[in-house]
Amino acid sequence: EPEVTQTPSHQVTQMGQEVILRCVPISNHLYFYWYRQILGQKVEFLVSFYNNEISEKSEIFDDQFSVERPDGSNFTLKIRSTKLEDSAMYFCASSANGSYEQYFGPGTRLTVT
Amino acid sequence: SQQGEEDPQALSIQEGENATMNCSYKTSINNLQWYRQNSGRGLVHLILIRSNEREKHSGRLRVTLDTSKKSSSLLITASRAADTASYFCATDYYGNNRLAFGKGNQVVVIP
Repeated sequence: EPEVTQTPSHQVTQMGQEVILRCVPISNHLYFYWYRQILGQKVEFLVSFYNNEISEKSEIFDDQFSVERPDGSNFTLKIRSTKLEDSAMYFCASSANGSYEQYFGPGTRLTVT
Repeated sequence: SQQGEEDPQALSIQEGENATMNCSYKTSINNLQWYRQNSGRGLVHLILIRSNEREKHSGRLRVTLDTSKKSSSLLITASRAADTASYFCATDYYGNNRLAFGKGNQVVVIP
């Protein structure tokens, strides 16, 4: 069964450093998402992406964040200058055209020290 | 903004019993979805119910939606040890796939 994959599974970085989290959505899906889950808190929507542009973004997704689909398979989330409060589990998801069901990857645990 | 909000429960049940968890939300929705998360893993989509539906079944899962009360329930029948997980409801307000998740219910099924 096709699945969303994410790399790395765990990333440790120092405050102020840039990180790129990578995702490979399901191949025939057209909608892509990033969510995050701070330890002990709710899963929060960050951004959705369709047709090579951002379609929705939350208040969390400020200028420090960016997303890109650099090729036909990868979908990336970049945090330009990480802060301690960016430490969280980051989930990528994708959905097919015309479907509300989102398929999530296993997540990348980001630890900012 | 509207959010899925489960009743903050930690259920501990015996294998074979039924598990019920609830979710309430604040504003009108397009659809409501339930997800499962095993410890340290990603979210797995379980079932989606649209705002014009009242009940839906999928295998051992039964979801109800009461739009007048802005609430939903998830019932897992004949639970198994493998059902041990956290269960989240997520609401889609505009049908734009921007999901708002609740805090989750921890369910432990004792063999």
